[in-house]
Amino acid sequence: GGIITQTPKFLIGQEGQKLTLKCQQNFNHDTMYWYRQDSGKGLRLIYYSITENDLQKGDLSEGYDASREKKSSFSLTVTSAQKNEMAVFLCASSIGAANTEVFFGKGTRLTVV
Amino acid sequence: GDSVTQTEGPVTVSESESLIINCTYSATSIAYPNLFWYVRYPGEGLQLLLKVITAGQKGSSRGFEATYNKETTSFHLQKASVQESDSAVYYCALGPNMGYKLTFGTGTSLLVDP
Repeated sequence: GGIITQTPKFLIGQEGQKLTLKCQQNFNHDTMYWYRQDSGKGLRLIYYSITENDLQKGDLSEGYDASREKKSSFSLTVTSAQKNEMAVFLCASSIGAANTEVFFGKGTRLTVV
Repeated sequence: GDSVTQTEGPVTVSESESLIINCTYSATSIAYPNLFWYVRYPGEGLQLLLKVITAGQKGSSRGFEATYNKETTSFHLQKASVQESDSAVYYCALGPNMGYKLTFGTGTSLLVDP
């Protein structure tokens, strides 16, 4: 089986700071995703990528940039961290569309002070 | 937009008792949504538990079952006899037949007392 590795596990940033979250998968999947989960809410799609160098905006893309330079990696940048922001960012991958099984990483927990 | 509503947790059940976690959905942008249950065990990433892509069909996995009911727009998760190892957070989700966005519920935390 494969694995999705997210780094770092915990990220503390300051207001206005640019922060980058990284994700690697060894499934050889074509599609990768970034979701955001706030406490008490469902996951919301930020960006996804259906192949290397492709980027598609999700519902929550404002305030974020993403980069898919290799098939195995997908990074997410918070362009200007908001004070008191706290959320878990989940990276995921699938072989095709979302009707195929989507595999998730364990998450990066962001705190902005 | 599309939405998923599920039982608010935490839910506590004794081992060997039955379980039902309710899930209802609204799919305004998807004509024939696919329905999913994902689960996150402690210390693990979210993983697919079961999926059903056709209305009227039932999916099952690890003793859990869910039936896609288009009339009541529901996809309740059931298990006849839970085990301590079922303690986890369960997420109901819907998605398009061909597309990339999954819409998730808020998750239901299940604790099974031994």
